[in-house]
Amino acid sequence: GAGVSQSPSNKVTEKGKDVELRCDPISGHTALYWYRQRLGQGLEFLIYFQGNSAPDKSGLPSDRFSAERTGESVSTLTIQRTQQEDSAVYLCASSFRAEPYEQYFGPGTRLTVT
Amino acid sequence: AQSVTQLGSHVSVSEGALVLLRCNYSSSVPPYLFWYVQYPNQGLQLLLKYTSAATLVKGINGFEAEFKKSETSFHLTKPSAHMSDAAEYFCAIFQGAQKLVFGQGTRLTINP
Repeated sequence: GAGVSQSPSNKVTEKGKDVELRCDPISGHTALYWYRQRLGQGLEFLIYFQGNSAPDKSGLPSDRFSAERTGESVSTLTIQRTQQEDSAVYLCASSFRAEPYEQYFGPGTRLTVT
Repeated sequence: AQSVTQLGSHVSVSEGALVLLRCNYSSSVPPYLFWYVQYPNQGLQLLLKYTSAATLVKGINGFEAEFKKSETSFHLTKPSAHMSDAAEYFCAIFQGAQKLVFGQGTRLTINP
């Protein structure tokens, strides 16, 4: 079956512009996660959605970052007024509620802020 | 809070040699531990997981890991490295509240 997909695969933007990153989870997966991976570093948790519950936003680094999810489907991560330090690969993952640790990852969006 | 530490950001081995990637954990409760692999320009893929059953866990591609409570370790091994094993490997711990906490990663290079 189809895995987690993300778009765009690459995004180059100018400092100060807003960007939207999209994630399509695996059908039937109720949980969705966003992570940030800076060059040469591990994964940094950003935000978690579970069904219709309020999202866990505890990892968002600033109020320039926000994310939405419609039901148990697509999610968008928005970064406003991008800064050079936002340059990273943004990874999305999804999982079944019953096995929250078995996360399935998308290929990521590589964001470059110039 | 639970955490993991990967020892060595870069490991290089010869093809056919033993692969050993180190991960130590810190947890106040019995941990759930994982190894993920990331091939170039791809997302992460689950290699194996420890969820308090057998302490020796076998994963995909010939990898295995042993949970050692006395050493708070969960090292990843493979008896004979293959060129296709070149990738970034991440150890992770389930923190509860539906979160995984990842280590910094170890880049594995295989020399012909």
